[in-house]
Amino acid sequence: DAKTTQPPSMDCAEGRAANLPCNHSTISGNEYVYWYRQIHSQGPQYIIHGLKNNETNEMASLIITEDRKSSTLILPHATLRDTAVYYCIRGETSGSRLTFGEGTQLTVNP
Amino acid sequence: NAGVTQTPKFRVLKTGQSMTLLCAQDMNHEYMYWYRQDPGMGLRLIHYSVGEGTTAKGEVPDGYNVSRLKKQNFLLGLESAAPSQTSVYFCASSSFRRTIYNEQFFGPGTRLTVL
Repeated sequence: DAKTTQPPSMDCAEGRAANLPCNHSTISGNEYVYWYRQIHSQGPQYIIHGLKNNETNEMASLIITEDRKSSTLILPHATLRDTAVYYCIRGETSGSRLTFGEGTQLTVNP
Repeated sequence: NAGVTQTPKFRVLKTGQSMTLLCAQDMNHEYMYWYRQDPGMGLRLIHYSVGEGTTAKGEVPDGYNVSRLKKQNFLLGLESAAPSQTSVYFCASSSFRRTIYNEQFFGPGTRLTVL
C-alpha cells in the first residue's frame, strides 16, 4: 500500500511551531517523502521533500527518522495563513503520479 | 507568467451532457496531470501525460478522456456526465529532470456539478 498515515486534524497557536507527523512504515529505499498543502480548496502547493536527511527551506523543515518509517513537518512560527490541509506523500524521485491521502487539517488559532 | 490556468472555473451539467475542461501552462513543462477531489478527500489522479501526444491512465480514469495535442494544453473530456462526476477538478504540471525532484504546480480548480 503506497499510502501514508496522518492525524485528521491538529491545532496550533499562532507564533508557535506546528509539528505535523506522518507514518510511512512501508516506504521503500528509493522513495521520497513529499509534503504539499492545500489552503481552502485552492490547488495544492509544494512545501518540501526528503529522502534520508533532514531538510529545511524557507517554508518548513522536514525531519525523517533514521529508519525512515516516519517523518515530521515543522512550521517554525505558524501564522493564520498556514491554516490548511497538509498532505504527506511518498513517491518516486521524479515526483510524478502523486497519491494523496486525506491529509491533516491544521488550524492555526490566534 | 500565469502558471497553470483552468477553464471554466464553474460548470453545471445535466446527466448525459458532455463537456471539455481546458488546462493550460506557460512553464514549458513536459508533464501534465488531471486530478479530481471529492468533499473531505484527497486528490485522485485521473489521467496524466508525459509529453505532447502521449497520455496515460491514473487511479480513476473511467468516464474520462484526455488529449495533449499541444505541449502547453491538456484537455479533459466527459462524454456523458454522471452525478458521480460531481467534483472539483485540478490540473497540474511539472518538468521532468531525472535526478531532481520536480514539484507539481496546480491550477485553481474547476467546480463541476452534474445534476
